[in-house]
Order: sequence, then C-alpha cells, then structure tokens
Amino acid sequence: AQKITQTQPGMFVQEKEAVTLDCTYDTSDQSYGLFWYKQPSSGEMIFLIYQGSYDEQNATEGRYSLNFQKARKSANLVISASQLGDSAMYFCAMWWGDYKLSFGAGTTVTVRA
Amino acid sequence: DTAVSQTPKYLVTQMGNDKSIKCEQNLGHDTMYWYKQDSKKFLKIMFSYNNKELIINETVPNRFSPKSPDKAHLNLHINSLELGDSAVYFCASSLTPAPTRSIEQFFGPGTRLTVL
Repeated sequence: AQKITQTQPGMFVQEKEAVTLDCTYDTSDQSYGLFWYKQPSSGEMIFLIYQGSYDEQNATEGRYSLNFQKARKSANLVISASQLGDSAMYFCAMWWGDYKLSFGAGTTVTVRA
Repeated sequence: DTAVSQTPKYLVTQMGNDKSIKCEQNLGHDTMYWYKQDSKKFLKIMFSYNNKELIINETVPNRFSPKSPDKAHLNLHINSLELGDSAVYFCASSLTPAPTRSIEQFFGPGTRLTVL
C-alpha cells in the first residue's frame, strides 16, 4: 500500500527563522507527484508546492521550497523566514497510479514572535 | 468569485437521518473529489469523478453515495448517519485527475458535519 509519513506532529519555530517539515513516502510507482498543503486554523486547504517524480530540480514557490530526495523517498518542505501567518497545519500528499491520492497525518507549525 | 463552494458550511443532525452536502466549482475543471477530515485532522479521499464518471471509490460505507449531475457539481448523500460520520467534508476540483504543478487541486471551504 502507498503511504505518506509525517513524523513531526508539532513544531515551534522563531519568527524569521527557517523550518523544515519532514515527509517520506512509499511507492513502487515510477510516476507520482508530491504536494504540500497548508491548513490554517480557519480550516481551508491551501496549495503550497508540487514536485513531480521526474522533475530534476527541487520545486520552489516564494518562501517555500521542496527538498526532494528521490532515492531516500523524501520530500521535505522548507519554509524560509517564518512569519506569524505561517502558523498552521501542513500536509504532505502524494498522487500515484490510477488517480490514487494519499495524505500524511500533518504537522502543526507554531511560529513564535 | 468563489472557485469551489460547498453548502451547507455547518450541518448538525441526529443519528439515523439522511443528509446531503452540495459542491459546485466554477473553474471549468473536469475532476472533482470528496475528502473526509476526522477529528484528528487526518484527511482521506473518499471519491473522485472525472467528467461525471467515478474514478476513485475508496473503502467507504455504502451509506455514502456521490452524485455528479454535471461536471461542475458533485454532491454527497449520506444515509442513516452515524456518530462516526462526524467530520469535516471537503470538496475539491482539478483540471485533470492527475494534479500537477500547473494543474493543482482547489479545495472548497469544507462542511462540518456533527451527528448527535
């Protein structure tokens, strides 16, 4: 079975510092995609970043970057220069195969002033 | 303009009742999804439709029945509601069934269902 693992249930980070959220995945498929979503306390799901399995370069979107290590099957999210508004739950997700989608358990990030 | 909308936003009902949640997207997308997020925030896909055809049907009790009258709508009907059905239900859409960098999934605001 395909699986996404986020081992950090919660993290604290100081404002303006960088934080890395871990995500490992398990798939035997060659073609797959990895996502990160943000869910603030208001509840909506916000797309942050995407990495395709064949993408050679690590994805970046503003302050978000994805550290993709294919051999290790990891897709860690790095948030640089944390802001108070970054406090939220972050989900790693993967699609693979015939339209299969799985989400990790999430990591709660709290940014301290 | 709201891209993916869901109604109602909150739904409180008694065990055993039947209820529906509606979802509409105005993005012109072909694919729509229903997710369930439980009290521990775990998010699980339930169903997905592409061009009104069911393409993902995860292990979900058959009390849950999705209906897609057209590409812009995907409704979720739940029969004989149980306490364990209490959760937040998210609708989402994407241009294709395989979301990519430029074909992301857009989520609705969620419907919080509480079964008493």
